[in-house]
Amino acid sequence: AQSVTQLDSQVPVFEEAPVELRCNYSSSVSVYLFWYVQYPNQGLQLLLKYLSGSTLVESINGFEAEFNKSQTSFHLRKPSVHISDTAEYFCAVRKHNTDKLIFGTGTRLQVFP
Amino acid sequence: DVKVTQSSRYLVKRTGEKVFLECVQDMDHENMFWYRQDPGLGLRLIYFSYDVKMKEKGDIPEGYSVSREKKERFSLILESASTNQTSMYLCASSSRSNQPQHFGDGTRLSIL
Repeated sequence: AQSVTQLDSQVPVFEEAPVELRCNYSSSVSVYLFWYVQYPNQGLQLLLKYLSGSTLVESINGFEAEFNKSQTSFHLRKPSVHISDTAEYFCAVRKHNTDKLIFGTGTRLQVFP
Repeated sequence: DVKVTQSSRYLVKRTGEKVFLECVQDMDHENMFWYRQDPGLGLRLIYFSYDVKMKEKGDIPEGYSVSREKKERFSLILESASTNQTSMYLCASSSRSNQPQHFGDGTRLSIL
């Protein structure tokens, strides 16, 4: 069965520090990969996605993620975080032959001044 | 921009009541989804629909049903609400391709 693991439930970090949110998945078939962000009292917003091509994908607000097929990982990174990045981040995978997403349990990023 | 609208942000109901949660999308998407979100559990799929009047059970369908009479609207129904259905409910839609799902702002439902 497919599964997504986000090992860190909470990541506290100071402003302007680098951050990495880890995501590993298990699947016997090819997948699409996504990171979503949820700000307080809001729904999920797509942050970035890997569908094919370059294994490094970037978002407009400085986040990036790298698809590593051999390690079945899709870790999210940002070299310098802002207070406004405080949110919950969800990793998700979808098999190529389905429209259903499998979500990880989420990582709460807290950025302190 | 895709707009997914959930009818209520907050809802309080009593145990045993029949509860309707409504979701409307404006992008002519084929697929629509209902999730519940609980702390430490992430998002779990309740039901999804890939076309009008079509539905499939997700991972946790027990105690829920759905209705999709029109392409833009997908309703989640709690037949007889129970306290363990207190949760955040999220609706999403997507096109039938490799495009991502778009989410509404959620309905925080409390069953007393």
